[in-house]
Amino acid sequence: AQTVTQSQPEMSVQEAETVTLSCTYDTSESNYYLFWYKQPPSRQMILVIRQEAYKQQNATENRFSVNFQKAAKSFSLKISDSQLGDTAMYFCAFMTPYGGSQGNLIFGKGTKLSVKP
Amino acid sequence: EPEVTQTPSHQVTQMGQEVILRCVPISNHLYFYWYRQILGQKVEFLVSFYNNEISEKSEIFDDQFSVERPDGSNFTLKIRSTKLEDSAMYFCASSDGGGGNQPQHFGDGTRLSIL
Repeated sequence: AQTVTQSQPEMSVQEAETVTLSCTYDTSESNYYLFWYKQPPSRQMILVIRQEAYKQQNATENRFSVNFQKAAKSFSLKISDSQLGDTAMYFCAFMTPYGGSQGNLIFGKGTKLSVKP
Repeated sequence: EPEVTQTPSHQVTQMGQEVILRCVPISNHLYFYWYRQILGQKVEFLVSFYNNEISEKSEIFDDQFSVERPDGSNFTLKIRSTKLEDSAMYFCASSDGGGGNQPQHFGDGTRLSIL
């Protein structure tokens, strides 16, 4: 079974600085998708970034980028130039497009990020 | 930008009662999902739905749970006889592609409190 582990329950960062959130996962699949979702205090989960496992290049979305290490099964999120609006719970999630769990997101426990002024 | 909407935002129900949580997915989406998040725990998959039938369900989704798409817009989750441990935040999600090709868009969630 696939699992996702986020080892940092809480983190804080000063505004304008850079922070990296960790995520590791376990799977025997070779092709899969990885996601970071953000859940601000307003509750709606918003997709931040997506990575396809067969792509070597790390995904980037403006100030958000990932460090995808397939061999190490690691998928960390880097937030550059942190803003107060980045304060949220961040969830790492895994999905396999095949087999019994096709299309279902498997989430980590989340990391609560606080951006301080 | 189109959104997934869920109602109500908070539902309080007596143990043993039936509850229906409602979701309006994004209009052109074809794949629908329910997830739940017990306070302080991770978000867990419950069920996926496509082409008017369940695609997959987790072991959490037992006989007390059912889903329905009663018309062209709503997607509901029913819990027949609620238990205390059903207290959680329930999230609906939709996508216009399955298997990760298209992202899942989430609603704000319904907080279900069982007394």
